[in-house]
Formats: sequence, structure tokens, C-alpha cells
Amino acid sequence: AQKVTQAQTEISVVEKEDVTLDCVYETRDTTYYLFWYKQPPSGELVFLIRRNSFDEQNEISGRYSWNFQKSTSSFNFTITASQVVDSAVYFCALTNGRENFGNEKLTFGTGTRLTIIP
Amino acid sequence: DSGVTQTPKHLITATGQRVTLRCSPRSGDLSVYWYQQSLDQGLQFLIHYYNGEERAKGNILERFSAQQFPDLHSELNLSSLELGDSALYFCASSARTGRAEAFFGQGTRLTVV
Repeated sequence: AQKVTQAQTEISVVEKEDVTLDCVYETRDTTYYLFWYKQPPSGELVFLIRRNSFDEQNEISGRYSWNFQKSTSSFNFTITASQVVDSAVYFCALTNGRENFGNEKLTFGTGTRLTIIP
Repeated sequence: DSGVTQTPKHLITATGQRVTLRCSPRSGDLSVYWYQQSLDQGLQFLIHYYNGEERAKGNILERFSAQQFPDLHSELNLSSLELGDSALYFCASSARTGRAEAFFGQGTRLTVV
């Protein structure tokens, strides 16, 4: 069975501080995909990034960066110089990498509510 | 805008009733997923359709059913509604199964009174 753990339920930081959101996953699959989604107060789920299990390179996109470490089964997300607009609930998710086997659901963590204080 | 359209955005109905939620996937996407988000259960996978065929079922109640039509839009039918069915229901679509990122609609907030 797959499992995603986001131990941080809520985080508050002052604007311009850096913040890291933790994600730990469990899976028996050797090929899998990891995702981060953002859910702002308006409610929609916004896709941020996808990572496959063969690519452990860290990724940076503007103020966002992701640290994928298979050795610790972690896929952490860092926001640099946080802004009020970053306030949202962030979800980490996992799916296996097999196509056409009917098991492509996303398993979500419970989310981390991030509040950026102006 | 993700390109996934869900209607209606809000729905209030009484216990015992039946409702239909509609989803139009992104143009060209063959996979449609339904998820339920509630305070106590979090985001839970309900069902997955690929090009009109059911591919996987999650924790979907027998009172719930779904289908995907030839034009690829999908409907989620919820019947004999109970107070506990109140939740945000998301539809997501992806270009392929599994590997591709899923893009979510804005959700339908269902309130059962």
C-alpha cells in the first residue's frame, strides 16, 4: 500500500522568511511519481511539480525548490522569500508509474496549511 | 485556469436526494478521476475512467456511481444522500494514466442538509 505523510499540520512564518514543507512517502513500487499541489483559499487544487523515482535531481523554479531523496523517502518543498500569496494548503501526493494497470490513483498526504504573516 | 470544468460549483440538497456532478476534462485528456475532500477523510480517490472505461475504484460508496461519455465528459451520481456526504468533490483529468500530472477542476461543494 502507498502512504504519504505530511507531519506538519500548520506552519506560520513572517513574510520574506524561507519555509520548508516536509513530505515522507511509502511505496513498494520501484517506479513511482511524486507531486505537489497547492490549494489556495479559493479551493481549487493547483499542480506545482511532478517528479519520477529515477530522477533525484533537485529542482528550482523561481522561489520554489524541491529536494527529492530516495534514501530517506522524502520529497520536501521549500519556498524562499515567502509572500502572502503563498498562503495555502499544500499537498504532497504519490502514484505508481505503471500505465494501463488500473491503479493510477493519487494518494495524498493530509496537507500542510501554510500561513504567511505580513 | 486548469482547463477542467466542473458544474455546479455549489449544491445544497436534502438527505435522501440524488444529485449529479458534471466534469469536462481538458481538451484531449482521456483520463478522468473523481476525488472527495472532506474534513475527516482528507482527499480520497473515488474512481478513474480512461476513454470511457472504468479503470479503478477507490473508496466509493455503492450509493455513488460514475460514467464517462463518448465525448469524454464524466458525471458522478450520488444517491440516497446523507449528511456525511457533504464534501468538496473534485474532478481531475490527465493526458495519460499514471505518469502524467492530473489537473483538477475547481470542485463542486456539496452540502447535504
